[in-house]
Amino acid sequence: DGGITQSPKYLFRKEGQNVTLSCEQNLNHDAMYWYRQDPGQGLRLIYYSQIVNDFQKGDIAEGYSVSREKKESFPLTVTSAQKNPTAFYLCASRLPGDTEAFFGQGTRLTVV
Amino acid sequence: QQQVKQSPQSLIVQKGGISIINCAYENTAFDYFPWYQQFPGKGPALLIAIRPDVSEKKEGRFTISFNKSAKQFSLHIMDSQPGDSATYFCAASGLFGGATNKLIFGTGTLLAVQP
Repeated sequence: DGGITQSPKYLFRKEGQNVTLSCEQNLNHDAMYWYRQDPGQGLRLIYYSQIVNDFQKGDIAEGYSVSREKKESFPLTVTSAQKNPTAFYLCASRLPGDTEAFFGQGTRLTVV
Repeated sequence: QQQVKQSPQSLIVQKGGISIINCAYENTAFDYFPWYQQFPGKGPALLIAIRPDVSEKKEGRFTISFNKSAKQFSLHIMDSQPGDSATYFCAASGLFGGATNKLIFGTGTLLAVQP
């Protein structure tokens, strides 16, 4: 089955730690996106990427980093510089241009 | 401005009624306007989408109305059902330099359809 997989589903981080959220897709999509979802604030764009080894900052990139070493994978690292990382994180992918975006099931990150 | 403004934040509708959610944008570089539906704990899924060359698109009980001059678009859910209870997001996509189309979402509307 083709799809987009995020792991883990739940993640707990201690203050000062970096954590990496996984996003893998087998849809052969070129574009991939990371969003953060907080109650009442919708989906805010963190980073997006069109091709391997290329990505652009979204609206709230501070405290986050990404890599795109493979077309299928777009991991997101939440660094200790992100002051309020507790949120629901969603990864999406789509074909080039204005096409349907497919989302993963999300990762809920909690700082303890 | 690469923002999409969505209203209302929440909406309660009786079964069989019409649900209406509105969105507005400012940047004319946006050229694709999808609506997504999200159930609790899940990722959003595409519901319906429109491009600015048409003023209306209908799929079943769901209709998008698009006003290019006003830079506004809305989702109408006819004969609303309890199963439609979810969070709805409008979005806008466009090429703002680079090689990737940016996909921006509104703040969401929590719809509750009462039986």
